[in-house]
Amino acid sequence: KAGVTQTPRYLIKTRGQQVTLSCSPISGHRSVSWYQQTPGQGLQFLFEYFSETQRNKGNFPGRFSGRQFSNSRSEMNVSTLELGDSALYLCASSVGDSPLHFGNGTRLTVT
Amino acid sequence: GEDVEQSLFLSVREGDSSVINCTYTDSSSTYLYWYKQEPGAGLQLLTYIFSNMDMKQDQRLTVLLNKKDKHLSLRIADTQTGDSAIYFCAEKRRQAGTALIFGKGTTLSVSS
Repeated sequence: KAGVTQTPRYLIKTRGQQVTLSCSPISGHRSVSWYQQTPGQGLQFLFEYFSETQRNKGNFPGRFSGRQFSNSRSEMNVSTLELGDSALYLCASSVGDSPLHFGNGTRLTVT
Repeated sequence: GEDVEQSLFLSVREGDSSVINCTYTDSSSTYLYWYKQEPGAGLQLLTYIFSNMDMKQDQRLTVLLNKKDKHLSLRIADTQTGDSAIYFCAEKRRQAGTALIFGKGTTLSVSS
């Protein structure tokens, strides 16, 4: 069974631009969560989607948004990028009460 | 406090046992997890324990849970150089819904 797939693996953007990251969950997993990982703040929860609806949201500004499609694939968008948005963005999928399974992440660098 | 606490660094010799400790925050947490992260990779689920258990063993891994002290530990038997990585403890709090709260991670260095 294929794992969680995130694309692209690396991105370089300029301050003020926007970016879209993509995540394909494990087949059969309907819940997709996003996390931001930085050296300073560690791993922080962004949001979770289930059946195309945002089910939970972390403490991030409105510049961070996401969506989920009917096939459970998810995208997250960051608008008006800031230097501090440079991070590894991790997507995870799960089914029911099972543990989260993470992808390899997208490394975003904002210059 | 609000944070999940872990020591930052642990160094062991190949063949020894490693014990990574974690203190979590919420006595009503339902599940506690251990994830491993190697350089350039995402998080790999190692094992997890339900809050009504005291211990779980899975091959070389043993998880111990002390609910009274809110203390979780991961023991790796016969540690190998391939075990060198960052290990994260995470809790699933009832009031946080589906979000996991992670510690800052413990870097395990295994020397031969």
